[in-house]
Amino acid sequence: QVQLQESGPGLVKPSGTLSLTCAVSGASFTSSNWWSWVRQSPGKGLEWIGEIYHSGTTNYNPSLKSRVTISVDKSKNNFSLKLSSVTAADTAVYYCTRGVIAMFYAFDTWGQGTMVTVSS
Amino acid sequence: EIVLTQSPGTLSLSPGERATLSCRASQSVSSSFLAWYQQKPGQAPRLLIFGASSRATGIPDRFSGSGSGTDFTLTISRLEPEDFAVYYCQQYGSSLLTFGPGTKVDIK
Repeated sequence: QVQLQESGPGLVKPSGTLSLTCAVSGASFTSSNWWSWVRQSPGKGLEWIGEIYHSGTTNYNPSLKSRVTISVDKSKNNFSLKLSSVTAADTAVYYCTRGVIAMFYAFDTWGQGTMVTVSS
Repeated sequence: EIVLTQSPGTLSLSPGERATLSCRASQSVSSSFLAWYQQKPGQAPRLLIFGASSRATGIPDRFSGSGSGTDFTLTISRLEPEDFAVYYCQQYGSSLLTFGPGTKVDIK
């Protein structure tokens, strides 16, 4: 069974960089899937941040593209998110998720989510 | 960017009733790339429907999806107590993915 687990600091200072890692277990990272980050601000809806393929190819939400970097570490079977120049508006629960190509990129597996607060 | 609009914002129904949720896109979406998710408080979203009408593994057959082009529907034939939640539609196109704002199904 595929499992995803986010980790990283729960508190980031304004103008700093948010860094999260998603550990993937039960699935090969080199399988035909895209690996995404999605966030949800308190009481709000879901916002897609971006995705990465095991080859390193990435796609980002245009609204965040200038501040986002998603990378993959195949040796550790994980992928990471960096979001720079954060503000209070970046306070959210951050989820990592798997987009399955055979299911037309639908997200079939999600991490439990990790709350990140941007505050001094 | 394709914008998804969901209606109604809130749907108040009783257990056993039928729920019909709408997702409308600002431009045509390939049916293959339209999905529905259920989210309960404090939990991650759960995939219900992919490809507009295919149920994900383990999803009861009271959940069904339909639609094409710009209009899609999620139907819950008979609401069970565990179905009261928020439902999101999602589309993927041109390497850009967007979610709708969600429909909350609550107990009347």
